[in-house]
Amino acid sequence: DIQMTQSPSSLSASVGDRVTIICQASQDIGGSLNWYQQKPGSAPRLLIYDVSSLQTEVTSRFTASGSGTHFTFTISSLQPEDVATYYCQQYGRVPGPFGPGTKVDIK
Amino acid sequence: QVQLRESGPGLLKPSETLSLTCTVSGDSIVGSDWWNWVRQPPGKGPEWIGEVFHTGATNYNSSLSSRVTVSIDKSRNQFSLKMTSMTAADAAVYYCARARRRVGWSFDHWGQGTPVTVSS
Repeated sequence: DIQMTQSPSSLSASVGDRVTIICQASQDIGGSLNWYQQKPGSAPRLLIYDVSSLQTEVTSRFTASGSGTHFTFTISSLQPEDVATYYCQQYGRVPGPFGPGTKVDIK
Repeated sequence: QVQLRESGPGLLKPSETLSLTCTVSGDSIVGSDWWNWVRQPPGKGPEWIGEVFHTGATNYNSSLSSRVTVSIDKSRNQFSLKMTSMTAADAAVYYCARARRRVGWSFDHWGQGTPVTVSS
């Protein structure tokens, strides 16, 4: 089975900082990688699909890249409304596992 | 706009069967999308449970497949989840979600989630 890991598990940064989250797969997953944002008490929200495509109505502060087993998600300039937990998810022919999440806070 | 809404009992006793329904509005479940159930235990990441296509085709998480049935009701634009032999380990927020394909697949619309507690 494919396993997804994320690092760091949490981070605290200042408003305006550039923030990067790493997602690694236990085996090559090609381009089958999505990123979600989840705020407390809410459902996950799709931000990025197919590794690097920005979902409709999602801010361009969010970008992502990668392939194979190594993927990155970046917030170019952290804003207070970005405080949330971020999950990567592998999704091949059927839905795959989510990563354990990275909690992002404001310092 | 597309909306999904979960409904069903939120409190079960151990060994009982969970039955949840997802009502879809703003989109027809008869199309090219798959309709999914995802759960999230407290403090943990989401876990995919299973999915159904409008033809009735299904796929399940292998770790849950012996206890799970996902079905579809095209006349009501709904799909449902049944999970048998519930235990405290199954306590979670249960979400329904639409899976759409661009190049690959992703969950692009989610319900608000419904909490499920398992307690005697």
